[in-house]
Amino acid sequence: AQSVTQLGSHVSVSEGALVLLRCNYSSSVPPYLFWYVQYPNQGLQLLLKYTSAATLVKGINGFEAEFKKSETSFHLTKPSAHMSDAAEYFCAVTPPGNEKLTFGTGTRLTIIP
Amino acid sequence: DTAVSQTPKYLVTQMGNDKSIKCEQNLGHDTMYWYKQDSKKFLKIMFSYNNKELIINETVPNRFSPKSPDKAHLNLHINSLELGDSAVYFCASSRTSGRGDNEQFFGPGTRLTVL
Repeated sequence: AQSVTQLGSHVSVSEGALVLLRCNYSSSVPPYLFWYVQYPNQGLQLLLKYTSAATLVKGINGFEAEFKKSETSFHLTKPSAHMSDAAEYFCAVTPPGNEKLTFGTGTRLTIIP
Repeated sequence: DTAVSQTPKYLVTQMGNDKSIKCEQNLGHDTMYWYKQDSKKFLKIMFSYNNKELIINETVPNRFSPKSPDKAHLNLHINSLELGDSAVYFCASSRTSGRGDNEQFFGPGTRLTVL
């Protein structure tokens, strides 16, 4: 079964600092991978997705993620954190040929002024 | 225009009651989903429908019954509500590719509180 593990349920960074949110997947074949963001009291919004076209994926709001097969990782990064980035971030996976999305446990990102 | 809408936004009810949550999407998608987000923010899929046909049915108590009258609507009816049903329920929709690589669009959620 497909699964993702997000290391760190809470991450705090200073405004302007690098954001790094970690996600590792377990799969016998390369899956499709997604990062979603959830702002307080809202639904989820797609940040970016990996669908095997390119290993470095650029998303909205300056976020990007790199698919590393050798490390089974899909970490999310942003060079410079902004106060508006404070939210819950979810890594998610679907196996090829299946629409079932499985989420990680989420990482709450706090931005320190 | 709201892409995926849910009603109501908040639902407070007593144990043992029956309640429904409605979901509508105006994106022209053919697949809709229900997710449950618990108090620790963990998100888990409950059901999915493709063109009104049940595709995914996770291990959910049979007190939960989804109904899809058409491709644009997916409702969730819950019988005999229990304290453990308190959660935020999200509806989502997507265009089915058959590959699993399509974005799912989420509604704003319905916060259910069972007293």
